[in-house]
Amino acid sequence: RKEVEQDPGPFNVPEGATVAFNCTYSNSASQSFFWYRQDCRKEPKLLMSVYSSGNEDGRFTAQLNRASQYISLLIRDSKLSDSATYLCVVTTSYSQGGKLIFGQGTELSVKP
Amino acid sequence: NAGVTQTPKFQVLKTGQSMTLQCAQDMNHNSMYWYRQDPGMGLRLIYYSASEGTTDKGEVPNGYNVSRLNKREFSLRLESAAPSQTSVYFCASRRTSAEAIQETQYFGPGTRLLVL
Repeated sequence: RKEVEQDPGPFNVPEGATVAFNCTYSNSASQSFFWYRQDCRKEPKLLMSVYSSGNEDGRFTAQLNRASQYISLLIRDSKLSDSATYLCVVTTSYSQGGKLIFGQGTELSVKP
Repeated sequence: NAGVTQTPKFQVLKTGQSMTLQCAQDMNHNSMYWYRQDPGMGLRLIYYSASEGTTDKGEVPNGYNVSRLNKREFSLRLESAAPSQTSVYFCASRRTSAEAIQETQYFGPGTRLLVL
């Protein structure tokens, strides 16, 4: 079983739609959580960190459920520029090297 | 402040040839990482270096070696390239400590390698 699992998609949505991505992780000792965005053939870049209480950044909302080992990302009012692959990321503890473990990514395509 | 730089950007090798991918960061990060990314597989960790002078295997280390030359530089070597090593290689760095659990990992632009 992969340490971090995501629905690979693709998700094809019209502009203005709301779309949700889910992610599960297997290591209950995972320490911190992130969503990264990767545009075609480019390097991944941080979209947002995910905090235990949930957090919002404009149209993006991230949630964490430690008991269920589940992370989500909600995008409201989708824009064409949101088209990308979204990567769910968890980290191991500092004592384990602070490694970031990536899901395989969920592809989003926003259409006019 | 260039962030994370990688060289070369593109490379074509023949089976059996060797090469070294270079990575450097100017953010004074203690931890550095090498990943490969293949279609449908996501980013897979090859090797990482939690601090200068240490290296550890990741998920897919076979066929690779690494050197943490100093705090800034972390190189990845393919001793005898194989077609299965055709991939996009990303280097990354991050500040890690017992307190810095939400620190961002920064990536280089990637090296696209084709092994014939």
